[in-house]
Amino acid sequence: QSVLTQPPSASGTPGQRVTISCSASSSIVGTNAVNWYQQLPGTAPKLLIFNSNNRPLGVPDRFSGSKSGTSASLAISGLQSEDEGDYYCATWIDSVNGPLFGGGTKLTVL
Amino acid sequence: QVQLQESGPGLVKSSETLSLTCTVSGGSISGYYWSWIRQPPGKGLEWISYIYYNGYTNYNPSLRSRVGISLDTSKNQFSLNLSSVTAADTAVYYCARQVDYSNSPYFDFWGQGILVTVSS
Repeated sequence: QSVLTQPPSASGTPGQRVTISCSASSSIVGTNAVNWYQQLPGTAPKLLIFNSNNRPLGVPDRFSGSKSGTSASLAISGLQSEDEGDYYCATWIDSVNGPLFGGGTKLTVL
Repeated sequence: QVQLQESGPGLVKSSETLSLTCTVSGGSISGYYWSWIRQPPGKGLEWISYIYYNGYTNYNPSLRSRVGISLDTSKNQFSLNLSSVTAADTAVYYCARQVDYSNSPYFDFWGQGILVTVSS
């Protein structure tokens, strides 16, 4: 079974740098890129990173993504209170020809 | 700016069919894939289905037997039907535009979501 594993929670203080990991199960071929979505409280998800390390227009460069093998990471530098919310990684599953989301990480700004 | 808006009943009885429509404005349905994604209260995101503007469809294997998706290009809308619903189908349902990029398509525009509650 294909699974993307994220830590359930992460936290940091304003100005700090935090990273959120996303690990693919061995059944997922690790060549597909990873996308990241930010979901602020009470709102719809928003695309944050696509193709593992690309930011859509309008996303601050405080957000960056990386991928190595079957693992990916989202880094947020200069943490701000408005970054508090849930973050989801996602990748494409070739056997299904559809996307799979990670379980999500709740980011708390202390 | 592309905008998506979900519409449909917020309450569906158990064993009946959930039907939702997504209206796309600010852009054409042509040339893109269009998806439905849901989120049970307090839980994560689950992809349900997508449809291409030419009518090609695909479904999450876990829901395939109960899901139907369709498109009305004249109205710039696409729709979801989920049959034989149970309490486990209670969720916020989102529609989203899916960009076919490289080896991992992504969702660049989302609707605001609609909460559908399944009642017994």
